[in-house]
Amino acid sequence: QKEVEQNSGPLSVPEGAIASLNCTYSDRGSQSFFWYRQYSGKSPELIMSIYSNGDKEDGRFTAQLNKASQYVSLLIRDSQPSDSATYLCAVKPNSGYALNFGKGTSLLVTP
Amino acid sequence: ETGVTQSPTHLIKTRGQQVTLRCSSQSGHNTVSWYQQALGQGPQFIFQYYREEENGRGNFPPRFSGLQFPNYSSELNVNALELDDSALYLCASSFPGGGETQYFGPGTRLLVL
Repeated sequence: QKEVEQNSGPLSVPEGAIASLNCTYSDRGSQSFFWYRQYSGKSPELIMSIYSNGDKEDGRFTAQLNKASQYVSLLIRDSQPSDSATYLCAVKPNSGYALNFGKGTSLLVTP
Repeated sequence: ETGVTQSPTHLIKTRGQQVTLRCSSQSGHNTVSWYQQALGQGPQFIFQYYREEENGRGNFPPRFSGLQFPNYSSELNVNALELDDSALYLCASSFPGGGETQYFGPGTRLLVL
């Protein structure tokens, strides 16, 4: 079983702070990594994809990948109450067609 | 550009019945994947269709089946519904060379009584 692990939270941060969301995966051969945001009762919305070791920035979001440690993270700078949602980490293994998802981390940004 | 659409949005069925869920892929996307998301869980891969053929399957029984049509739209059929089939069913589309990024539709929420 190729697993993706996330802390379920809730992670609570004050407005304007940096939120740090973490994800580990078991399939060392995985090549593609994704972060999705899911509001309650809605479907997942793609935030970022990352394929190479290092950082990738898009606006207030930064994804970080460390394949040697099998670790991927998402940083949200200047967190806003509208960022309150569940963040899903998804990993595509080296073989197969599925995205393997973690259970998600619930983020609460308090005003 | 039209995003991924799904129908219906909500559905209530009773145990033992059959259900068909529909998905239209995003413009230019020829690959459709289906996922089941139970409450409090991450989406679980059911299967993927590419060029009208099943291209991979997760750990779901044969009573979960699907189709893809020439216009790349897709159906998910579930026979002999069980209470545990109650979930949000998500369709995601992607295109070759797109880095395997999958874009999700709004989902169909199925309740089995």
